[in-house]
Amino acid sequence: DAKTTQPTSMDCAEGRAANLPCNHSTISGNEYVYWYRQIHSQGPQYIIHGLKNNETNEMASLIITEDRKSSTLILPHATLRDTAVYYCIVRPVITSGTYKYIFGTGTRLKVLA
Amino acid sequence: DTEVTQTPKHLVMGMTNKKSLKCEQHMGHRAMYWYKQKAKKPPELMFVYSYEKLSINESVPSRFSPECPNSSLLNLHLHALQPEDSALYLCASSRSGGRDEKLFFGSGTQLSVL
Repeated sequence: DAKTTQPTSMDCAEGRAANLPCNHSTISGNEYVYWYRQIHSQGPQYIIHGLKNNETNEMASLIITEDRKSSTLILPHATLRDTAVYYCIVRPVITSGTYKYIFGTGTRLKVLA
Repeated sequence: DTEVTQTPKHLVMGMTNKKSLKCEQHMGHRAMYWYKQKAKKPPELMFVYSYEKLSINESVPSRFSPECPNSSLLNLHLHALQPEDSALYLCASSRSGGRDEKLFFGSGTQLSVL
């Protein structure tokens, strides 16, 4: 299974963009990159995912490097409610219809007022 | 309905008790998952059911016994647990395929084993 590496913690000023990096240098061609976040012992919340191209939705943008060995999650205007642990996941397919989502250690993002 | 519902929210049990955790979704998802999460650690995958069949068991001790009675329900039966099994148990579901494949999580069951 591809392993992900993330910084342990980051701070970001409220209203500024938060850029969270993830390294996944052993990723295979058919593996997607997913981002989830978890706010204080709630269930993890889906943010965004992508394969090769950059993706954007109402929550965030995902930038994947051309060689796919790393990615960056961008929260364009961080608010205090974005304080959470952010997990980068590389998702392999085990068999058709079976997916294995393995969480890395995550980045603890603190948004400062 | 985009919810995964887990019951109970909190559970305290002794080491000789038998209890069950329940998970339900009505999104038509065909894959369901159990994760265990210790404090300040990431969720650890325990089991994956795909089309109601157990497809992944991450070498979980036999005192944890999963069951998938139908495509909407997932149970985790607990027996003879140890205090170190105290954790947040998370259930999740997914479509099991397609470009929009992603996990939806419940809010978890906080389990304390005394």
